[in-house]
Amino acid sequence: DVKVTQSSRYLVKRTGEKVFLECVQDMDHENMFWYRQDPGLGLRLIYFSYDVKMKEKGDIPEGYSVSREKKERFSLILESASTNQTSMYLCASRGGRGYTFGSGTRLTVV
Amino acid sequence: DQQVKQNSPSLSVQEGRISILNCDYTNSMFDYFLWYKKYPAEGPTFLISISSIKDKNEDGRFTVFLNKSAKHLSLHIVPSQPGDSAVYFCAASNSGAGSYQLTFGKGTKLSVIP
Repeated sequence: DVKVTQSSRYLVKRTGEKVFLECVQDMDHENMFWYRQDPGLGLRLIYFSYDVKMKEKGDIPEGYSVSREKKERFSLILESASTNQTSMYLCASRGGRGYTFGSGTRLTVV
Repeated sequence: DQQVKQNSPSLSVQEGRISILNCDYTNSMFDYFLWYKKYPAEGPTFLISISSIKDKNEDGRFTVFLNKSAKHLSLHIVPSQPGDSAVYFCAASNSGAGSYQLTFGKGTKLSVIP
């Protein structure tokens, strides 16, 4: 069964901390994505990667960066966490024409 | 500019009745459409899709209809069950030019009342 695994289901971090969200897929997919989901705003694309060491900005990249050193792993980095980054973060990988999503990480910044 | 629109933030339906979730799009280059279902504290899961060469696709209780001239698609769930209560996201892609992205709507929260 194909899987996208996000390392943490729930995280609480302090304002100003550097935060790493990890995502691993076992499907040998080239394309991976990070979204955040907020009530009333749907899924908003933060960054995506179409190959190792390649990255592209999505719709809301400010305050975030990403790392793709290996094909199976795509990390989202909050350089200095702020309260407006409290959200549900969803990683996805693309195989064929659709995405497979991870279970999400609920991040709270206090 | 929102290219995929789900104009109903929420919908309530009695168990056993039909649920109809609507989605409109503005980009005429979109040629593949998907519906995802999302429970709280979980990631979205793929439900059903349709290519622009079709106007209907059916999978069990779920049917998606596509009206290209109106740039409109809808998801029908018959009969609705309490376990269908979730947020439903419509998504679209342009498979030409090697596009990798799905564009999502904001979602519709479906509540099926027992």
